[in-house]
Amino acid sequence: KQEVTQIPAALSVPEGENLVLNCSFTDSAIYNLQWFRQDPGKGLTSLLLIQSSQREQTSGRLNASLDKSSGRSTLYIAASQPGDSATYLCAVRGDVLTGGGNKLTFGTGTQLKVEL
Amino acid sequence: NAGVTQTPKFQVLKTGQSMTLQCAQDMNHEYMSWYRQDPGMGLRLIHYSVGAGITDQGEVPNGYNVSRSTTEDFPLRLLSAAPSQTSVYFCASSYGQTGKETQYFGPGTRLLVL
Repeated sequence: KQEVTQIPAALSVPEGENLVLNCSFTDSAIYNLQWFRQDPGKGLTSLLLIQSSQREQTSGRLNASLDKSSGRSTLYIAASQPGDSATYLCAVRGDVLTGGGNKLTFGTGTQLKVEL
Repeated sequence: NAGVTQTPKFQVLKTGQSMTLQCAQDMNHEYMSWYRQDPGMGLRLIHYSVGAGITDQGEVPNGYNVSRSTTEDFPLRLLSAAPSQTSVYFCASSYGQTGKETQYFGPGTRLLVL
């Protein structure tokens, strides 16, 4: 059974700092990995999706990397801003060929606070 | 597009009561799913559907029923609510099931069972 772990559970940084959020997964037979953002009381917004054949994806100040063999992904946020404060979730999708279907397994998230 | 909409936003039930959580999407997405989010446990898949008339169980299906009579709607039914079903429920949809599609989430329904 796939298990996804995110460390740390909470992080507080000063504005302008570059930071890295970590995600690890136990079964490397994944199809893709997504990073989501969740604001308090809101739904999830997809930030980046990395296919299993890819090493990284970039969107603006965000860069996500994937090392499938080691079961790790990182989300790099450059020049953090107070508006980046939210909970960041990673989720892996199982490989269809191994029965993973279209199901996502989520981590419990990292709660980020960017202070002025 | 309204995207994925969920109603109600918040609901309080007594143990044993039944209710239906509504989910609709206007993006013509084939794939829809329901998750529950509990503190310290992440989101867990309850049921999912790959198209109208087709549903299947996820990781935690007990106590919940679903149906998919149209592409747009995917309601989640609680037949006899229990305090263990207190949670935040999210509906999600995506265009297909190849795995390359981004999933879009609704704003969630917060359910409290007393």
